[in-house]
Amino acid sequence: AQTVTQSQPEMSVQEAETVTLSCTYDTSESDYYLFWYKQPPSRQMILVIRQEAYKQQNATENRFSVNFQKAAKSFSLKISDSQLGDAAMYFCALTPFGNEKLTFGTGTRLTIIP
Amino acid sequence: DAGVTQSPTHLIKTRGQQVTLRCSPKSGHDTVSWYQQALGQGPQFIFQYYEEEERQRGNFPDRFSGHQFPNYSSELNVNALLLGDSALYLCASSLVQGSTDTQYFGPGTRLTVL
Repeated sequence: AQTVTQSQPEMSVQEAETVTLSCTYDTSESDYYLFWYKQPPSRQMILVIRQEAYKQQNATENRFSVNFQKAAKSFSLKISDSQLGDAAMYFCALTPFGNEKLTFGTGTRLTIIP
Repeated sequence: DAGVTQSPTHLIKTRGQQVTLRCSPKSGHDTVSWYQQALGQGPQFIFQYYEEEERQRGNFPDRFSGHQFPNYSSELNVNALLLGDSALYLCASSLVQGSTDTQYFGPGTRLTVL
C-alpha cells in the first residue's frame, strides 16, 4: 500500500517570489513515479511535473522544479517567479511502475498575493 | 490532439437512483481510470479499465461498476445512490505500454445526490 502526505493545507506567496510545497510518501515498491498535479477552480487536474524514482536528477519544467530525496521519501515542488495563474490546489501523487492507480495527498491550496 | 472528455458536466440525482457517467480518453490512450474526489479531499481511486476488463479496483462497494468499450471510452455506473456519493468524479486516461505511467485527467463530472 502507498500513502502520500501533504502537511501544508494552505500556502501563500507574493507574486514573483519563490515557494516550496512539501510532500512525503511511503511505498514498498522499488520502482515508482511521483507527480505534482495542479487543480484550479475550474476543477481540471493538470499535470505539472513528473519524476521517475530511478532517476537521481531532479525534474524541472520551466518555473517548476522538484527536490526528490528518495532515502527520505520526500518530494517537494518549488515554484519560481510565482504568477497569479499559479493559484490552485496542488496535489502530490504516487504510482507504482506499471501504470497502476494513483495515490494522492490531501492537497495544498496555494494563494498568490499580487 | 483531443484531450480527455467527460459528460455530463453536472448531474443532480436523488437517493436510490442510478447514474451513468461517461469518459472518452485522450487520443492514442488505451487505459481509463476513475477517481472520486469529495469536497476538500484528494481524489480516491475507484477502478481502472484496460482491454475492456477491470484491471484494478480500489476500496469501493459493488454499487460502483464500469465498462470499457472497444473504442477505449468508458462508463462509470453507480447504483442505489447515497448522499455520500456526492462528489466530483474524475476520469483519467493513459497508455498501458507507455514509458511514463502518466495519467491525464478530464474536467470531471460534479454529481449531487439529494
